[in-house]
Amino acid sequence: GAGVSQSPSNKVTEKGKDVELRCDPISGHTALYWYRQSLGQGLEFLIYFQGNSAPDKSGLPSDRFSAERTGGSVSTLTIQRTQQEDSAVYLCASSSGLALDEQYFGPGTRLTVT
Amino acid sequence: KQEVTQIPAALSVPEGENLVLNCSFTDSAIYNLQWFRQDPGKGLTSLLLIQSSQREQTSGRLNASLDKSSGRSTLYIAASQPGDSATYLCAVISYNTDKLIFGTGTRLQVFP
Repeated sequence: GAGVSQSPSNKVTEKGKDVELRCDPISGHTALYWYRQSLGQGLEFLIYFQGNSAPDKSGLPSDRFSAERTGGSVSTLTIQRTQQEDSAVYLCASSSGLALDEQYFGPGTRLTVT
Repeated sequence: KQEVTQIPAALSVPEGENLVLNCSFTDSAIYNLQWFRQDPGKGLTSLLLIQSSQREQTSGRLNASLDKSSGRSTLYIAASQPGDSATYLCAVISYNTDKLIFGTGTRLQVFP
């Protein structure tokens, strides 16, 4: 594919349920990032992968949030026992792996917790 | 802690005007600065990337400058068009990190 893809594009879930969000980075990109954009808030960093390891998880807001990356490609962000404050757009980005390099963003997943 | 601020928060102008959007950051130790565009309900589109050693970058009607020592960047949009209406975000990557720190954006509306 030409760009970063994310699925689903929209997800509505009930409070307390678990959700999984998927990100497919640009082929060959070793770095993958998750960000969150809440209504009325700015964009905030969640977690960064270099290959399959996550050297920076500092932005995960609680232990209900986890992420993994397999095969150096696809990443899944999991939110357990969702809360209403988790409602946001979750954006994924990838880059070729150096901090100097441009990050390319996917279209995002809009999560609504009712 | 790096903080990024954008001024103005919102801007409404008639078509054809030249515009300047401002971005400031508190820690000048950065690798690079990126300007993005975000349309309502959409993801981010990268407009320009300026490395810390560069002073400016140009793409079409867009020109971005960087003054690292003073912690400032400007995005200049020439001859604005209604299609330029969007939210514009700047973001920096600080030394010893890999994450983008974003400003809160400037919401631009260009009317015919």
